[in-house]
Amino acid sequence: GAVVSQHPSRVICKSGTSVKIECRSLDFQATTMFWYRQFPKQSLMLMATSNEGSKATYEQGVEKDKFLINHASLTLSTLTVTSAHPEDSSFYICSARLSRDSYSPQYFGPGTRLTVT
Amino acid sequence: AQSVTQPDIHITVSEGASLELRCNYSYGATPYLFWYVQSPGQGLQLLLKYFSGDTLVQGIKGFEAEFKRSQSSFNLRKPSVHWSDAAEYFCAVGGNQGGKLIFGQGTELSVKP
Repeated sequence: GAVVSQHPSRVICKSGTSVKIECRSLDFQATTMFWYRQFPKQSLMLMATSNEGSKATYEQGVEKDKFLINHASLTLSTLTVTSAHPEDSSFYICSARLSRDSYSPQYFGPGTRLTVT
Repeated sequence: AQSVTQPDIHITVSEGASLELRCNYSYGATPYLFWYVQSPGQGLQLLLKYFSGDTLVQGIKGFEAEFKRSQSSFNLRKPSVHWSDAAEYFCAVGGNQGGKLIFGQGTELSVKP
């Protein structure tokens, strides 16, 4: 149980275009989803917290107009990287929680490798 | 400040040997502690978690971790390492802040035959 999927697993796009990444909880309803960014050989950096039916909460330094997050249902959150540039190339990982309880663990998706050329 | 420190960036152990990965945290409230494992190019898999109660917690794949409040530590252990355990291991702390996690820098584990 508690499986989270991401699509696509890899994407290459040209500079200036937008890319959408989907995060789905397959066998549970996720009231909260999180989006992380991971650079090579580094830890995960939280970008934003996404609650179903409400606006995402972005971490300091993350441009909300560049990284658009939508959490339209209890099983789907999307991250859209708008006007992507090479510096946006990274590994993006989402996670989902079963409940709003703070001690509820996060279950992670397999990640999406974004390369902007 | 809230933080998680994993002092060892890279550890190499022989297959069959015991393993201990260190994790120290700084957190202002009651911490919830987690260990995750990440294989190359993959997401994170939850190994184990500690919320309260018994300070020695058992996880999947034969891992265990011990919470020591006096030392602000949550070290991960395994009595006998298998080659398939080679991966990146992350310690994380969370609490009553909407479930946000703070991750350590990660420890890369290599297993030699």
